[in-house]
Amino acid sequence: QQQVKQSPQSLIVQKGGISIINCAYENTAFDYFPWYQQFPGKGPALLIAIRPDVSEKKEGRFTISFNKSAKQFSLHIMDSQPGDSATYFCAANAGGGNKLTFGTGTQLKVEL
Amino acid sequence: GAGVSQSPSNKVTEKGKDVELRCDPISGHTALYWYRQSLGQGLEFLIYFQGNSAPDKSGLPSDRFSAERTGGSVSTLTIQRTQQEDSAVYLCASNRQGAPYGYTFGSGTRLTVV
Repeated sequence: QQQVKQSPQSLIVQKGGISIINCAYENTAFDYFPWYQQFPGKGPALLIAIRPDVSEKKEGRFTISFNKSAKQFSLHIMDSQPGDSATYFCAANAGGGNKLTFGTGTQLKVEL
Repeated sequence: GAGVSQSPSNKVTEKGKDVELRCDPISGHTALYWYRQSLGQGLEFLIYFQGNSAPDKSGLPSDRFSAERTGGSVSTLTIQRTQQEDSAVYLCASNRQGAPYGYTFGSGTRLTVV
């Protein structure tokens, strides 16, 4: 059962553009939503995370937007750079539990 | 250690053989997780160890899969009688007790069953 749905599966953006990746969840008990970034041959690394008590969190060029009523959250990468080319995973966690549920991933390519 | 260490980084095995994958978590991290990453399938939870508690094995796909964690540190994931559908990257992660967030992942073991 896929509890976190992620789209698109792949994305090509021009340098300087905005990359947007979307996720939707079903479990209303989820209360922590991190995004992970994975480069080829490496494990995923925590990028940014949000809790449902805020609608937006920004760290540098990366922003999470959160819509609790729609049960959706998204990652925006502003001024996308070739070095941002990677696979991005959204995830969710419920009630302080230790197990993260991951989306299927988005392969981002930023072209010059 | 400075990070989560996994070995081997790559493993090619013949169908039907058993394999063991090793994970050495960050020192002091009491929680350890195994995930499987298949192409287009995201990260699939396999098993979770927390201190001396009974492991959460709810994600293991079949009884061919098992894992143990000795001394609260190193973990071994064993796949018996490997099948081609077991081919994937197996990722290990760890974090501190009481900090259920912010996993630190290893670089994974790429398993290919031929």
